Amino acid sequence: GDSVTQMEGPVTLSEEAFLTINCTYTATGYPSLFWYVQYPGEGLQLLLKATKADDKGSNKGFEATYRKETTSFHLEKGSVQVSDSAVYFCALKTGNQFYFGTGTSLTVIP
Amino acid sequence: NAGVTQTPKFQVLKTGQSMTLQCAQDMNHEYMSWYRQDPGMGLRLIHYSVGAGITDQGEVPNGYNVSRSTTEDFPLRLLSAAPSQTSVYFCASSYSTGGTYEQYFGPGTRLTVT
Repeated sequence: GDSVTQMEGPVTLSEEAFLTINCTYTATGYPSLFWYVQYPGEGLQLLLKATKADDKGSNKGFEATYRKETTSFHLEKGSVQVSDSAVYFCALKTGNQFYFGTGTSLTVIP
Repeated sequence: NAGVTQTPKFQVLKTGQSMTLQCAQDMNHEYMSWYRQDPGMGLRLIHYSVGAGITDQGEVPNGYNVSRSTTEDFPLRLLSAAPSQTSVYFCASSYSTGGTYEQYFGPGTRLTVT
């Protein structure tokens, strides 16, 4: 069945470091891909999305490119801030259903 | 515009008790869904609805019932709670099932079953 696999955490980085969180997917058809972020005690918020192969989603300095050939949607940011500390979820949508990865916890230290 | 609201925020149940988790949205969204979030498991879809009067099962529907009598409300019922249902529950809504409309999530309900 359809699924998402993302790198396990937790990830700890110093402020201004480069961030990569890996995400790969398995899906029939042509899914849409998403990254969501969850801050402590809150629900998930959409960070970025991509609808077709080679699309690049971007928001708040984060980027991810839909790579059909490698079935990947890795999240990157060139310079993280303390305020980026959160849990990040990769997700895909096929038909009427969303499938989420297990989440990657990121802590950025000053 | 309150977005997606969930009540209660916290709940403790004894095994065998029943309860309803409430979810409401004021954005006139067609699509609503319930997820449970467990450590190391991410979010898993329980049930979803593509419009009033229409519901369907997700990945982990057993032990849960839903109904959708209005566009705004999508309650989740636990008929006989079990410790395995201890989790954080999130309700979400989306404008449409088509395309790539994002989901808006509520703040969650933390449920403990003893």
